[in-house]
Amino acid sequence: EPEVTQTPSHQVTQMGQEVILRCVPISNHLYFYWYRQILGQKVEFLVSFYNNEISEKSEIFDDQFSVERPDGSNFTLKIRSTKLEDSAMYFCASGPRTSGPETQYFGPGTRLLVL
Amino acid sequence: EDQVTQSPEALRLQEGESSSLNCSYTVSGLRGLFWYRQDPGKGPEFLFTLYSAGEEKEKERLKATLTKKESFLHITAPKPEDSATYLCAVQSLDSNYQLIWGAGTKLIIKP
Repeated sequence: EPEVTQTPSHQVTQMGQEVILRCVPISNHLYFYWYRQILGQKVEFLVSFYNNEISEKSEIFDDQFSVERPDGSNFTLKIRSTKLEDSAMYFCASGPRTSGPETQYFGPGTRLLVL
Repeated sequence: EDQVTQSPEALRLQEGESSSLNCSYTVSGLRGLFWYRQDPGKGPEFLFTLYSAGEEKEKERLKATLTKKESFLHITAPKPEDSATYLCAVQSLDSNYQLIWGAGTKLIIKP
C-alpha cells in the first residue's frame, strides 16, 4: 500500500540554524501539505502546495518557512532560522484532490527539537 | 471562525465495553469531516471521510456517523489494540482544503 515517507525521523538543532525536512508523497498525488503538532496541542496547518506553487498558507507559515518540490518525488520544508518555539512534530501529507472532500494521508512525522 | 471540539478529552474503558466519541464542529460550509487515529509519536492514520448528514461508515469495530453539527465515532466491543488518540478534522468550503483539527480523544482500553 502506498504511503507517505518522511526523513529524518528526529532532528536536533541549535537555535538560529537552518533545517530541511523531507517528504516523499504518495506517487500519484498532486497536492501536498505540511502540518505541525506541538507536544500536547492540536495539529495545525502550515501550508498546501500544488503545481510548484503555494496554494494556501497559515499565519504560522511566515518568512522563515519555505517549501519546495526539488524533483519529481521529494517535497521539502525549510526553516531558515529556527526558534525554540519551532520545536514540534512536523507532518507531511498528500492527497488526490477530488471535487468533494479530499482525504489526506500523513507521513510518520519528523520530531524537531530546537535547543 | 471554523472550529472543532472533541469530547471527552480522555476515555478509559474495559475491554468489550462499547462507547462513543463526539466531535462537534462549526464551519461556514462543510466540505468533509475526517476521523484519524494517532498512536504516540506517530502520524495520523486515516479512518473515515464523511460529508453528508446522515452518512455512516464502518470499519471493524468502528462506526462513524455525521449530523449537521457533530459526528460520533462508535466503538463496539473494543480491544486493547484500539487504544490510541482519535482525531477529528474538517475541511471547510471556504478554505483551500486545509484540515482544521480537534484536540483529540485519548482512548485507553484495559484488558
